[in-house]
Amino acid sequence: EVQLVESGGGLVQPGGSLRLSCVDSGFTFSSNSMSWVRRAPGKGLEWVANINPDASEKYYVDSVKGRFTISRDNAKNSLYLQMNSLRAEDTAVYYCARISIVVESSDYYGMDVWGQGTTVTVSS
Amino acid sequence: DIQMTQSPSSLSASVGDRVTITCRASQSIDSYLNWYQQKPGKAPKLLIYAASSLQSGVPLRFSGSGSGTDFTLTISSLQPEDFATYYCQQSYSTPLGTFGQGTRLEIK
Repeated sequence: EVQLVESGGGLVQPGGSLRLSCVDSGFTFSSNSMSWVRRAPGKGLEWVANINPDASEKYYVDSVKGRFTISRDNAKNSLYLQMNSLRAEDTAVYYCARISIVVESSDYYGMDVWGQGTTVTVSS
Repeated sequence: DIQMTQSPSSLSASVGDRVTITCRASQSIDSYLNWYQQKPGKAPKLLIYAASSLQSGVPLRFSGSGSGTDFTLTISSLQPEDFATYYCQQSYSTPLGTFGQGTRLEIK
């Protein structure tokens, strides 16, 4: 069974940096695009960033462009999110998720496996 | 960018009730629509993909319908474990990501 385990969250001051990690214990990591999604306190889910299997394509929500960087190391089955210039509004639980083709031989995609989340708190 | 709007934002219902949640896209997304369930303190879970296909292991009381811009998630007979927040997500355009604002389903 595929499991995703996040780490790296914590308390950081505004303007600071954190690096989140997500390790996939399964065997298909290098074949899937991956995503970071967050949920701020009292708010809904917000997609943050995506990366394709060979890391040639990366996408970000506008609010984190230029501050966050998504990356991956397929040899280590690991996904990362480098977060710089953190703001109070970045406070959230951050989840990594696997993006899979959910209808065989189609272009229907879904986030079918999620980690348990890691909490990031930006506060002085 | 495609915007997703859910209604209602919150809903109170009783065990055994039939419940419907609506999701509207700002442009046509054919059937490229997913639904997720999130319980407090837990990760989201994929319930329905391609607008109407049930993810493996999801109870048959859940169903999805719609195409184009208007979609619905229906729970035919609410069970205690169904009280959660539900999100729609479009998978029509790259990148996969945009969620609706969520619908919180509470016990009446």
